[in-house]
Amino acid sequence: AQSVTQLDSQVPVFEEAPVELRCNYSSSVSVYLFWYVQYPNQGLQLLLKYLSGSTLVKGINGFEAEFNKSQTSFHLRKPSVHISDTAEYFCAVTRPKAAGNKLTFGGGTRVLVKP
Amino acid sequence: DVKVTQSSRYLVKRTGEKVFLECVQDMDHENMFWYRQDPGLGLRLIYFSYDVKMKEKGDIPEGYSVSREKKERFSLILESASTNQTSMYLCASSPQVPLRTEAFFGQGTRLTVV
Repeated sequence: AQSVTQLDSQVPVFEEAPVELRCNYSSSVSVYLFWYVQYPNQGLQLLLKYLSGSTLVKGINGFEAEFNKSQTSFHLRKPSVHISDTAEYFCAVTRPKAAGNKLTFGGGTRVLVKP
Repeated sequence: DVKVTQSSRYLVKRTGEKVFLECVQDMDHENMFWYRQDPGLGLRLIYFSYDVKMKEKGDIPEGYSVSREKKERFSLILESASTNQTSMYLCASSPQVPLRTEAFFGQGTRLTVV
């Protein structure tokens, strides 16, 4: 079974400052990793995913994440945030080739961007 | 664009009522999921289905059942609603294709049980 821990439940940040959201996972097998974003009153939208290959993954809206197998981490970063990045962010894992491709999510990190 | 549509954005039901939450996807995806979202707990999987008439329990199936009679439709049923089932419910779908494991989510149904 997999599990995901998002180390910060809330992250306040000033506009144009960098932000890092931390995600650690636990799994006895290799995994695929995802970051999703949920804007207020909306469903989840995929930001980026790591399946294989380069450990640095670029996503939409200027976000990127780095897969670190030895530290079992998949931290999300953005060098300069905008007010519109205020949202909740979820890290998730799934097992490759698992029937159903079910995702296991972390508890979420709420980002509040201040002017 | 992939569309996952949940039948209601907001629902208010009474304790003991039978509640149906409906979800339809238009991309011919094999997999469909029901998650429950609560503050601080993230999304927890209730049930999922990887084929018509197939269903598997997720992490928190107690008090819920599901139905998948057609590929595009996945229903979540609360047999006898209770106040601790007040929550946001999210439906998702994904293809069963290698390296295309992205799940697409509906807008969510906020259910209040009074």
